Amino acid sequence: GAVVSQHPSRVICKSGTSVKIECRSLDFQATTMFWYRQFPKQSLMLMATSNEGSKATYEQGVEKDKFLINHASLTLSTLTVTSAHPEDSSFYICSARDPRRANDSPLHFGNGTRLTVT
Amino acid sequence: DQQVKQNSPSLSVQEGRISILNCDYTNSMFDYFLWYKKYPAEGPTFLISISSIKDKNEDGRFTVFLNKSAKHLSLHIVPSQPGDSAVYFCAASEAGNTPLVFGKGTRLSVIA
Repeated sequence: GAVVSQHPSRVICKSGTSVKIECRSLDFQATTMFWYRQFPKQSLMLMATSNEGSKATYEQGVEKDKFLINHASLTLSTLTVTSAHPEDSSFYICSARDPRRANDSPLHFGNGTRLTVT
Repeated sequence: DQQVKQNSPSLSVQEGRISILNCDYTNSMFDYFLWYKKYPAEGPTFLISISSIKDKNEDGRFTVFLNKSAKHLSLHIVPSQPGDSAVYFCAASEAGNTPLVFGKGTRLSVIA
C-alpha cells in the first residue's frame, strides 16, 4: 500500500533555532500533501496544504512565515519551524493521498515528528 | 467550531464483547468518512471508511455505519481484542483531494 515516510521522528532544539521536517511519499507521487499538528490529548489539526510547484495554503491562525513549507518535488514536502519557541512543541504529522486511487480514498500518514523546544 | 465530534473521550470494553465508537458531524458537505487508529508518538493508521452513498461498510471485525439524516456514524468492533486498545479518530472530508477533519478521538481500552 501507499507509504508516507517522515523524518526525523523526534527532535529537541533550543528556543530560537529552526527545525526542518521532511515528508516523503515512497511509492507514489503526491502533488498535494497535508501537514497536521497534534497537541497532547487533542485532535489532529490541519496546519497547511502543501502543493507541488506552488505556494502552500495555510489554515487560519497558522503563521506562514513561521512554518515554511516547500514542496519541491512530487515525492517530498518539507516543513521548517523557524525561530522555534517552547509553545511550538508538538507532534507534527504529514499525509498524502495515493493519486492512483479515487479522490475519496484515505489519507496516508507519516509516523510523525515529536518536536520539543527547550 | 468543531465539525467532527467524538463526545466520548474514553471507552472500556471486555475482551470478546462489542466496542461501539460514535461520531457526529455538522458539515453537510462531508461525503467521505473514515476511522483511524492511533498509538502515542505514531501517525494515524487507516482502519475503515464509508462513502456518503452507503450506510454500512464492513471489513472483518470492523463495521462502520452512517446515518446521514442524523449526521452520525459509528464504528463497531466485534469481537474486541486487547490489541484493539488505542485512540480511535473519526474523520471526514468533502469531495476531491481535500484534507480530513478529525474528531478529538476516543481512547478504547479492551480488558482481557
